[in-house]
Amino acid sequence: AQTVTQSQPEMSVQEAETVTLSCTYDTSESDYYLFWYKQPPSRQMILVIRQEAYKQQNATENRFSVNFQKAAKSFSLKISDSQLGDAAMYFCAYVTDYKLSFGAGTTVTVRA
Amino acid sequence: GAVVSQHPSRVICKSGTSVKIECRSLDFQATTMFWYRQFPKKSLMLMATSNEGSKATYEQGVEKDKFLINHASLTLSTLTVTSAHPEDSSFYICSARPHGTGNEKLFFGSGTQLSVL
Repeated sequence: AQTVTQSQPEMSVQEAETVTLSCTYDTSESDYYLFWYKQPPSRQMILVIRQEAYKQQNATENRFSVNFQKAAKSFSLKISDSQLGDAAMYFCAYVTDYKLSFGAGTTVTVRA
Repeated sequence: GAVVSQHPSRVICKSGTSVKIECRSLDFQATTMFWYRQFPKKSLMLMATSNEGSKATYEQGVEKDKFLINHASLTLSTLTVTSAHPEDSSFYICSARPHGTGNEKLFFGSGTQLSVL
């Protein structure tokens, strides 16, 4: 069974600063996808970034980037230049056989 | 991007009644849809996988007679919570995979908050 671990229940960041969210996963697969989703108070799931395991280059989407370490099974998310709108719960997720397995989530608060 | 419509967004019902939640892909066909349950400030837990034209596959511990899933067309899956009780109160979210795509594309509905009195 796949497991996704997010060890930080809460993180706080000053506006304009950088915060890094950690995620580790366990799998025996060689090719798979990893995701970071954002869930704001509206509870809509928003895809932040996606990484395909066979691609060594770390994915980047504007202020969001990942540090993908396949051997270590680590997939951290870095939010740069944090904005008030980044405040949300962030979930790391792994997919295989079309099923998403989510981590427990990290609540990010942004201080003005 | 692809849109998944989920209705209703919020429903309050009396204990013992049944509630139907719809998940509809508006601009794509979805061979497979997924239903999740989420408790406050907790993660999403997969309940079942819904495949068009076949029986749903339920995750371990999910009562298939309590949570009836129907995927009658390529654009619609429904979740019916039968004989609802207060412990069924939760946030339910669906997601859909466009036909012909792989693991990289999954789109979420906006969720349904169910409150059972």
